[in-house]
Amino acid sequence: SQQGEEDPQALSIQEGENATMNCSYKTSINNLQWYRQNSGRGLVHLILIRSNEREKHSGRLRVTLDTSKKSSSLLITASRAADTASYFCATDPRGGNKLTFGTGTQLKVEL
Amino acid sequence: GAGVSQTPSNKVTEKGKYVELRCDPISGHTALYWYRQSLGQGPEFLIYFQGTGAADDSGLPNDRFFAVRPEGSVSTLKIQRTERGDSAVYLCASSDRRAGGETQYFGPGTRLLVL
Repeated sequence: SQQGEEDPQALSIQEGENATMNCSYKTSINNLQWYRQNSGRGLVHLILIRSNEREKHSGRLRVTLDTSKKSSSLLITASRAADTASYFCATDPRGGNKLTFGTGTQLKVEL
Repeated sequence: GAGVSQTPSNKVTEKGKYVELRCDPISGHTALYWYRQSLGQGPEFLIYFQGTGAADDSGLPNDRFFAVRPEGSVSTLKIQRTERGDSAVYLCASSDRRAGGETQYFGPGTRLLVL
C-alpha cells in the first residue's frame, strides 16, 4: 500500500525556475527520504531527513519536514533540463527497515 | 565502487511459467530489499533480508512469491505460476545496516512482462 501522496502529480516549469514538491504521509516515522527516478527504472537517493530534523540542504536541494502535519517538501532551486524525472518521497518507520513510497511527482523542466 | 546490479534487465514469460530474478547488492551491505513497481505507481515493499534471513516478508503478495539469500549476499526472487498481474518492474536495494545506514541504494530493476 502507498503511505504517502505527492503533490502535485505533475509539474512543468522553465529551466532556471524553482520546483517545489510536497509529500504527505500517515504514520509515525524514523526518517523520510526523497528519491529521483528516470524513465521508470532505478531510483537515485537524493536526501534523508530524520524525524528530529526540520530542514536539510544538499546542493540545490532543500527538504523540510513537519512531523506535526506529517508532511515534507522538496525544493529544487535553479532547475535544469536534467532534473526532469519522477520524484518520490519514502517513509521509514523504524530506521533501516522497509520504505513506504508515495505516488510520485513527475517533473518536467523545459528549456 | 560497483552499485547494485540486477539480472536480467528484461524478462518476458508466458502465464503459468516460473521465473527467477537476481540481485547483487553492494559488497558488504548486510541488508537487502525487494520492491515491485507497477506503471505509474511508487515502489511497493516485498521482502527485506538482514544477512541470510528474511527479517520482514510481509509485502509478498501470496505464496507464489519466494525469495532467498543463502550466503548473505546475492538474492533471488522466485515467482511460480506467473500471472499477467505480476508484470511490473522488480527493484532491489541494499543498505549497510552495520554502520547504521538507513539509505537504500537501488539497482536498475528487472522489467517483467507476463504474456
